[in-house]
Amino acid sequence: AQTVTQSQPEMSVQEAETVTLSCTYDTSESNYYLFWYKQPPSRQMILVIRQEAYKQQNATENRFSVNFQKAAKSFSLKISDSQLGDTAMYFCAFMKHLTYTGANSKLTFGKGITLSVRP
Amino acid sequence: DAGITQSPRYKITETGRQVTLMCHQTWSHSYMFWYRQDLGHGLRLIYYSAAADITDKGEVPDGYVVSRSKTENFPLTLESATRSQTSVYFCASSFRWEQFFGPGTRLTVL
Repeated sequence: AQTVTQSQPEMSVQEAETVTLSCTYDTSESNYYLFWYKQPPSRQMILVIRQEAYKQQNATENRFSVNFQKAAKSFSLKISDSQLGDTAMYFCAFMKHLTYTGANSKLTFGKGITLSVRP
Repeated sequence: DAGITQSPRYKITETGRQVTLMCHQTWSHSYMFWYRQDLGHGLRLIYYSAAADITDKGEVPDGYVVSRSKTENFPLTLESATRSQTSVYFCASSFRWEQFFGPGTRLTVL
């Protein structure tokens, strides 16, 4: 079974600054996906970024980037130029990569971290 | 509207009552999931379904029942609600690696 650990329950950052959210995971799988999801007060789950384990290059989406360390089983999210709209709960999640038919798999989530961006 | 919907969005019920949460998707995705979200636990998988008439347990299935007679619908039933089932419930469907979440149902069991 997989486990995902987010040890920081809350963080706060000043608007326009950079913040890093930590995530570690444990698995015996060699091929998998890692995700960061954002959940604003509206409760909607929004995909922020995805990393495929076989890719060495760290994923980037605009102001969001990850530091993926496969050997250390670490997957942190860096948010640059923080904006008030980034205030939300952030979840790290793991998904096994099922190679047959490109099939779907269930997500294993961390407990989440509440990020507050101060004006 | 295309997408995934859940109903009701809010529900208050009493201990011992049966409650059914509805989930409907318009994409015809094969896989569908039910998660519950509780503070300090993140989202945890209750049940999932690979196709119509194929369902399997997740991490926290006790006290819940699912069915899937049609691809687009995946209802979740609490047969006899307990206070510990007070939670926010999310339905999701998936295509390959991407999961699409519904807006959630906040259920309160008094």
